[in-house]
Amino acid sequence: EVQLVETGGGLIQPGGSLRLSCAASGFTVSSTYMSWVRQAPGRGLEWVSVIFSGGRPYYADSVKGRFTLSRDNTNNTMYLQMNSLRVEDTAVYYCTKDWVSWGQGALVTVSS
Amino acid sequence: EIVLTQSPATLSLSPGERATLSCRASQSVSSSLAWYQQKPGLAPRLLIYDASKRAPGIPARFSGSGSGTDFTLTISSLEPEDFAVYYCQQRSNWWTFGRGTKVEIK
Repeated sequence: EVQLVETGGGLIQPGGSLRLSCAASGFTVSSTYMSWVRQAPGRGLEWVSVIFSGGRPYYADSVKGRFTLSRDNTNNTMYLQMNSLRVEDTAVYYCTKDWVSWGQGALVTVSS
Repeated sequence: EIVLTQSPATLSLSPGERATLSCRASQSVSSSLAWYQQKPGLAPRLLIYDASKRAPGIPARFSGSGSGTDFTLTISSLEPEDFAVYYCQQRSNWWTFGRGTKVEIK
């Protein structure tokens, strides 16, 4: 059974950094493409970043240059390093495999 | 960026009624469109992909149609568990989502 578990969310001040983890089980993270999607409070869904099986990540313009997606094949985990955080980055961040399997989400709150 | 416009924003219906949700793309996405259901506090759930293919485990009362720029999600007879927010997503040029249609109990 495929499972995705996000951790690492929390309250951070503007300009700060946070790293989200997405621990996977039931498949290997390097075998498929995986994405991060976020949802601001009371708002819709926004694609943030993707990493394909080849390993190259891509980013939405809203986070390009500030967020870095990586994966650790040994630990079967995907990471989202978020730097220079802004108030508008406040959201629940979901990781997803193939858009079929989703984690439970991690809340990131950027506030002073 | 491809913009998706969903209508209506809110649909008020009773259980057993038919729901018809619309999604219009700002440019052609061919058949690269998906639909999701989301309930409060939960992650989205994939219902339809490639415009009309049901994801595994999705009941037959959910159906999708359309191509190019105009798409429809139909729920043939609403069950109590179907009241939720529905999003469309285009997969033609990276990924973008519509703003959602809330299906609420009348």
